[in-house]
Amino acid sequence: GAVVSQHPSRVICKSGTSVKIECRSLDFQATTMFWYRQFPKKSLMLMATSNEGSKATYEQGVEKDKFLINHASLTLSTLTVTSAHPEDSSFYICSARPPALAGGYYNEQFFGPGTRLTVL
Amino acid sequence: GIQVEQSPPDLILQEGANSTLRCNFSDSVNNLQWFHQNPWGQLINLFYIPSGTKQNGRLSATTVATERYSLLYISSSQTTDSGVYFCAVDPNTGNQFYFGTGTSLTVIP
Repeated sequence: GAVVSQHPSRVICKSGTSVKIECRSLDFQATTMFWYRQFPKKSLMLMATSNEGSKATYEQGVEKDKFLINHASLTLSTLTVTSAHPEDSSFYICSARPPALAGGYYNEQFFGPGTRLTVL
Repeated sequence: GIQVEQSPPDLILQEGANSTLRCNFSDSVNNLQWFHQNPWGQLINLFYIPSGTKQNGRLSATTVATERYSLLYISSSQTTDSGVYFCAVDPNTGNQFYFGTGTSLTVIP
């Protein structure tokens, strides 16, 4: 249990196009999901908190118009990188937490496998 | 914001050796987890350990919340243990994790 998936795993796009990344909780419902960004050989940086049914909360310095987040259902959050540029190339990872005490998990977060975005 | 520092940043071990990785955090936390990031980028949950000690096979972890640090012990290391180890902390109850700087471990045969 507690599996989080992401799609696509890898995407290459041209500068100026938009790219959508999906994050799904496969065996639990998640009212909140999180999006992280990781540069090569660096740590993960929290970008935003995705809230089902309401607007996302962005960390300081993250452009909300560049990184659009939609939490369409209790099992799906999407991150759209709009008008992508080469500096947006990165590894994007989402996470979610199963409901408290569900399946023996309590406050433990689980991460998707990540999406590697390359903007040419 | 909260600062999370890990040490050492890099570590090379001979197969079979033991090691201790450290995670220091600058403020009180509600949650703390240790992860192993494999070469493909997947974060694998090792421990959920906001306090106390846990063991799972060759790995164990201890968090001393009052002193704001956590330790990850790896015993009898294997080449498959290679990768980057992260600790992540949640300073509030919002489940927003802030990651440490990471320790890159290489185990050589």
